[in-house]
Amino acid sequence: AQTVTQSQPEMSVQEAETVTLSCTYDTSENNYYLFWYKQPPSRQMILVIRQEAYKQQNATENRFSVNFQKAAKSFSLKISDSQLGDTAMYFCAFISNNNDMRFGAGTRLTVKP
Amino acid sequence: DAGITQSPRHKVTETGTPVTLRCHQTENHRYMYWYRQDPGHGLRLIHYSYGVKDTDKGEVSDGYSVSRSKTEDFLLTLESATSSQTSVYFCAISESQGPNYGYTFGSGTRLTVV
Repeated sequence: AQTVTQSQPEMSVQEAETVTLSCTYDTSENNYYLFWYKQPPSRQMILVIRQEAYKQQNATENRFSVNFQKAAKSFSLKISDSQLGDTAMYFCAFISNNNDMRFGAGTRLTVKP
Repeated sequence: DAGITQSPRHKVTETGTPVTLRCHQTENHRYMYWYRQDPGHGLRLIHYSYGVKDTDKGEVSDGYSVSRSKTEDFLLTLESATSSQTSVYFCAISESQGPNYGYTFGSGTRLTVV
């Protein structure tokens, strides 16, 4: 069974600094995608970034980038130049062939002014 | 906008009463999902549908039933609500099944069972 683990329930960072959120997963599949979702207080689930397992290059989206270590089954999210609007819950998620999307427990990130 | 709406947005109900949550999509996507979100658990799959009248159970399906009589609507029913079903419920849609098809989420329904 696929599992996703986020070991940091809460984190905080000063505005303009960099923070890294950790995620590990367990699977025997070779073809899968990994995602980071942001959930602000509005409750909306917003896709931040996604990574295809067969691509070695780490995905980046503006201030957001990932460190994908396939052998270690690790998928961390780095947020650079943190902004107050980055305050939210962040969920790591995994999906593979013929399976539904699985989520980690989430990390609550607070950006402090 | 992604074309997925959930109703109601908030609901308070009493233990033992039936409750139905609605998910409506305008994207004509084949797959629809119901998740519940609880602190410390993230989102967990309750039921999903892969077509009209085609549904299957997820990880936490006990106490829930679903129906999909039209492509655009996916209903989640709690036959007799319990306090353990107090949660935030999310509907999601995807065009097909497979790792390269992302999910689009609704804005969630906060259900409180008192």
